[in-house]
Amino acid sequence: GQNIDQPTEMTATEGAIVQINCTYQTSGFNGLFWYQQHAGEAPTFLSYNVLDGLEEKGRFSSFLSRSKGYSYLLLKELQMKDSASYLCAPQNNTDKLIFGTGTRLQVFP
Amino acid sequence: EPEVTQTPSHQVTQMGQEVILRCVPISNHLYFYWYRQILGQKVEFLVSFYNNEISEKSEIFDDQFSVERPDGSNFTLKIRSTKLEDSAMYFCASTRDRETQYFGPGTRLLVL
Repeated sequence: GQNIDQPTEMTATEGAIVQINCTYQTSGFNGLFWYQQHAGEAPTFLSYNVLDGLEEKGRFSSFLSRSKGYSYLLLKELQMKDSASYLCAPQNNTDKLIFGTGTRLQVFP
Repeated sequence: EPEVTQTPSHQVTQMGQEVILRCVPISNHLYFYWYRQILGQKVEFLVSFYNNEISEKSEIFDDQFSVERPDGSNFTLKIRSTKLEDSAMYFCASTRDRETQYFGPGTRLLVL
């Protein structure tokens, strides 16, 4: 079966660091994507992990452990504009994305 | 920077009517997708398309749905006889290399 588990909501303060965890089970696995989605808008690409380890991209980093079916997205120096939903999306071996319900992050001043 | 575009941004239709949602993928991309998101729910895969053929489709993508690439730039999703439960945001996505999928802004479909 397919299952993606991430916290429903998180809150943090401007300037802080937040880590959003995701565990997944999919039939077939190519890699894992993180997307950001503001309310009423399209998902926008943040990061892609294929191999185990940490990928860093400016204020955002993503980690993958294939053997544990686990990933996290790390957001540093939080800004108000980072308030959004963050979608963990494993990609199966036919390249479709399987989205979880997302983590709604609220950043407070 | 190239973008996926979609038209219309909003569509209101009566139950039982046909709608066509249009997408223009990024120009050198070869793989195309449709996803939908019912309000407050997760993004769901509908169909993937490559080389003028459907590569994969989900259980949602039943006989009322069809996709087409009528020319070198457009990619369309047709819903033949709309139902109330088809009301959702429909996203088109494309990728050059079966990796990063770039999403269009979406078409918000409301079926009355």
